[in-house]
Amino acid sequence: DAKTTQPNSMESNEEEPVHLPCNHSTISGTDYIHWYRQLPSQGPEYVIHGLTSNVNNRMASLAIAEDRKSSTLILHRATLRDAAVYYCILKDNNAGNMLTFGGGTRLMVKP
Amino acid sequence: EAQVTQNPRYLITVTGKKLTVTCSQNMNHEYMSWYRQDPGLGLRQIYYSMNVEVTDKGDVPEGYKVSRKEKRNFPLILESPSPNQTSLYFCASSFLVGGSPLHFGNGTRLTVT
Repeated sequence: DAKTTQPNSMESNEEEPVHLPCNHSTISGTDYIHWYRQLPSQGPEYVIHGLTSNVNNRMASLAIAEDRKSSTLILHRATLRDAAVYYCILKDNNAGNMLTFGGGTRLMVKP
Repeated sequence: EAQVTQNPRYLITVTGKKLTVTCSQNMNHEYMSWYRQDPGLGLRQIYYSMNVEVTDKGDVPEGYKVSRKEKRNFPLILESPSPNQTSLYFCASSFLVGGSPLHFGNGTRLTVT
């Protein structure tokens, strides 16, 4: 199954935008790009997903490269509560695929 | 309220004593999965199920069993727990469609002494 690559950690200042990158060069045509985050002592929670077009919701925006081999999660104004580990994963309609989480990016937000 | 419920939240047991961690979802999801999370190793998939009576091994299935007799339940069974199975476990579920988000339970922290 296709894998994703993310930086181990990133740092941001509070109230500034944050761009979290993810590479998925072996993505297949039916793979959706999902982002989840995990706050300390909690289970992962869904953030956003997309297939080909950029997506916006109340939590974040997702920018997908035209060739779909990379994507960027955008937090428009980071808050201290956004400090978490962010995971980019690929989710396929194919019944044979399982979902694999990579190491994720630990986002630190400075006041 | 739509949710994935795991029980228990915390469990301390001894080596070799069989245990079951339950997972139940009320969203009629076809897909269910178990993950373990260990420091430095991230989330690793143990087993997953695409529907009732259909289960498959994930990355780290050794020492675990699962069953999917009903759509809503996906218990994780440790027949003979060992200390290396001390970990934080998460159950997750979703519809099969690729655009459907995964919903996670709150986790079960297991300690095997």
